[in-house]
Amino acid sequence: GAGVSQSPSNKVTEKGKDVELRCDPISGHTALYWYRQSLGQGLEFLIYFQGNSAPDKSGLPSDRFSAERTGGSVSTLTIQRTQQEDSAVYLCASSLVRGSTYEQYFGPGTRLTVT
Amino acid sequence: AQTVTQSQPEMSVQEAETVTLSCTYDTSESDYYLFWYKQPPSRQMILVIRQEAYKQQNATENRFSVNFQKAAKSFSLKISDSQLGDAAMYFCAYRSAGWSGTASKLTFGTGTRLQVTL
Repeated sequence: GAGVSQSPSNKVTEKGKDVELRCDPISGHTALYWYRQSLGQGLEFLIYFQGNSAPDKSGLPSDRFSAERTGGSVSTLTIQRTQQEDSAVYLCASSLVRGSTYEQYFGPGTRLTVT
Repeated sequence: AQTVTQSQPEMSVQEAETVTLSCTYDTSESDYYLFWYKQPPSRQMILVIRQEAYKQQNATENRFSVNFQKAAKSFSLKISDSQLGDAAMYFCAYRSAGWSGTASKLTFGTGTRLQVTL
């Protein structure tokens, strides 16, 4: 079956603009995660969804970052008033929540560049 | 909070040789999972191998094996018969076992870039 997909693959935006990043998880995966990969900070957890609710949003770096998930499927990560330090690769992953290890499957990421 | 440390920013290995990537972690939990992920230039994170903390036997997947030392909180990855396609960033990751029916985030190390030479 299809893996996790993310769009756009690359996004260049001007400082101060809002951006939306999309994640389409594997069908049937109820858990969805957003991570950020940047040169200075490595791979950081941002937020986790179980169904449409977000029991763990502890990694969101500021109130400019928000995410939602509708219909237990597609998720959108929104960054408002982008700053240059937001430049990074944003990775999405999904997993089952039944099974031995809840393996997370990753998408190819969205590279965000803020100029 | 859990932390994961990879002390080797870069490693190099000749084709067909064996290389070991190091990973240590810190946790107060007794039940957890450990993973090695590979990230080639395509950015796609690919699971290489996983280890359940409650299992004493080291995990093995074809040419990849781990040396899991729970007391020492060490989780190294051995790649045997290295191939050019093994060149990538390798990340060690930790996940709490969590409650049944829930899942939890991965905590990653900073990665080791592996070069494979002819």
